[in-house]
Amino acid sequence: AQSVAQPEDQVNVAEGNPLTVKCTYSVSGNPYLFWYVQYPNRGLQFLLKYITGDNLVKGSYGFEAEFNKSQTSFHLKKPSALVSDSALYFCAVRVSGGATNKLIFGTGTLLAVQP
Amino acid sequence: EADIYQTPRYLVIGTGKKITLECSQTMGHDKMYWYQQDPGMELHLIHYSYGVNSTEKGDLSSESTVSRIRTEHFPLTLESARPSHTSQYLCASSESAPVAYEQFFGPGTRLTVL
Repeated sequence: AQSVAQPEDQVNVAEGNPLTVKCTYSVSGNPYLFWYVQYPNRGLQFLLKYITGDNLVKGSYGFEAEFNKSQTSFHLKKPSALVSDSALYFCAVRVSGGATNKLIFGTGTLLAVQP
Repeated sequence: EADIYQTPRYLVIGTGKKITLECSQTMGHDKMYWYQQDPGMELHLIHYSYGVNSTEKGDLSSESTVSRIRTEHFPLTLESARPSHTSQYLCASSESAPVAYEQFFGPGTRLTVL
């Protein structure tokens, strides 16, 4: 079965420090992976995606993610956290097969950046 | 400006009422989706549509129904609201596969059924 796991419910980091939000996946075939961010009382905003090619993907707001096939991971990173990065982050994988473009989402990780 | 819209943003309603949550997108996307986001913040797909006159139920069973009469419009209806329907409902759209396009989300409707 295809799935996405975000092992941490919450990540705390001090402003200016690097941050990592973890994501692992299980899919059949090639994985298509996404990161989204959700601010309070908002919908999800797309940050970045991995389809193929370079394992390091750069996205919006200075975020990047590293695809690691052997570890089946797609961790989200940022070199220097901002207080404004505090939000809920979702990892997602496209359901393989078919043409629906359906996504399976992880359970979300709350990022709290302290000033 | 191309975007995806949801109305209302907030709705408080009594048990037994019929409600329709509106979702419209101006991006010309074929595929549209409805998600339910529970208090634990998990997202569950409840409906999706390949295109006009094409709708399917999602992974989470829902008493709601949807329709897709126009490409840009994908409303969700609850015939008789119950407190268990209290949740945040998110609408999304995407371009067609086979390329893995990202989904674009609306701002959501927070529904409270008393």
